[in-house]
Amino acid sequence: EAAVTQSPRNKVAVTGGKVTLSCNQTNNHNNMYWYRQDTGHGLRLIHYSYGAGSTEKGDIPDGYKASRPSQENFSLILELATPSQTSVYFCASGDVTGCERLFFGHGTKLSVL
Amino acid sequence: QQKVQQSPESLTVSEGAMASLNCTFSDGTSNNFRWYRQHSAKGLEVLVSIFSDGEKEEGRFTAHLNRANLHVSLHIREPQPSDSAVYLCAGLNTGYQNFYFGKGTSLTVIP
Repeated sequence: EAAVTQSPRNKVAVTGGKVTLSCNQTNNHNNMYWYRQDTGHGLRLIHYSYGAGSTEKGDIPDGYKASRPSQENFSLILELATPSQTSVYFCASGDVTGCERLFFGHGTKLSVL
Repeated sequence: QQKVQQSPESLTVSEGAMASLNCTFSDGTSNNFRWYRQHSAKGLEVLVSIFSDGEKEEGRFTAHLNRANLHVSLHIREPQPSDSAVYLCAGLNTGYQNFYFGKGTSLTVIP
């Protein structure tokens, strides 16, 4: 079973501060994803990546940057955090085949005060 | 952009009664659907994957897909209190190699 590990599990940040959320996967998947989950919106895709060095914008990329320095690691960066970015963030990894499965981390709860 | 409507938003059933959840997609571009379960803001656990019309069973969980009606459902046989969770349906956007998710159905199973 693929392992996807997110850090930190909880984060409190101040408005205007920089926040980096990290994700590591150990199953050598090509694709990695960052979602946020909010009541009333479900899971929404922020950024994703097809492999090391690639980042692509998802449906709600504004205010976020992503970095994929290696196959295993995918970071989500909030350069200037705002209270509207308070949410639970999920990282996922997967390979696109006919039977793709997404493996999710346990989430990072971010509060921006 | 694919839209996914889940219903109902919340559902309460008695232990042992069948639970049925529904999902409707805005277009027929996806042929790859998933049902996930999420316990209390934890990670998502995949329950059933379905790729063609008909049904797919995984233990007590059965998914039905009707692509002509853009509809996929999940039926939980003999639900238990431990099945209380949020259930999310997702369809694959093959162009972007990612999944679109519904907002979820909150299921409560009472003893």
